[in-house]
Amino acid sequence: AQTVTQSQPEMSVQEAETVTLSCTYDTSESDYYLFWYKQPPSRQMILVIRQEAYKQQNATENRFSVNFQKAAKSFSLKISDSQLGDAAMYFCAYRSARAGNNRKLIWGLGTSLAVNP
Amino acid sequence: DTGVSQNPRHKITKRGQNVTFRCDPISEHNRLYWYRQTLGQGPEFLTYFQNEAQLEKSRLLSDRFSAERPKGSFSTLEIQRTEQGDSAMYLCASSRSLSGANVLTFGAGSRLTVL
Repeated sequence: AQTVTQSQPEMSVQEAETVTLSCTYDTSESDYYLFWYKQPPSRQMILVIRQEAYKQQNATENRFSVNFQKAAKSFSLKISDSQLGDAAMYFCAYRSARAGNNRKLIWGLGTSLAVNP
Repeated sequence: DTGVSQNPRHKITKRGQNVTFRCDPISEHNRLYWYRQTLGQGPEFLTYFQNEAQLEKSRLLSDRFSAERPKGSFSTLEIQRTEQGDSAMYLCASSRSLSGANVLTFGAGSRLTVL
């Protein structure tokens, strides 16, 4: 069974600085998707960025980028120029790309990010 | 379309009562998911619909839980004879099957407090 591990329960960063959130996963599959979701205090889960395992290029979305290391099964999220609005719980998630009925996401426990002014 | 809508946002009930939550997904999304999230944890998968068919149901979902999506649009999640351990945030999400990555759009959640 697949698992997702986020080893940092809490992180903090100064406004305008850069922070990296860690995520590792375990799977025997070769084709899958990885996601970072953000959950602000209002509790609505928002997609931050996604990565297809077959793509070697790291995904980037504005200030958010990932470091995807497939062999190491590592998927870290880098937030550049941190803003106060980035403060939230960040979840790493995995989904199999295998066809069939298994469509659910496997989630990590989350990392709570505080942004200090 | 304003996204995934969930109602009620917060429900307080006494142990033993039945509660029902409703989820209205994004209109063109044919997949709908229910997750449960307790404080300090990631979401736990409960069940998944493609159109009106319930294709997967977690073992976490006891017989007291039932979900429906009768016309392939909105969905309801009913919890019968609630227990204090049912207190959690119930999240609904939807997606389109045409999207390979199956990106989920979440609602704001329905918080259940069982006294």
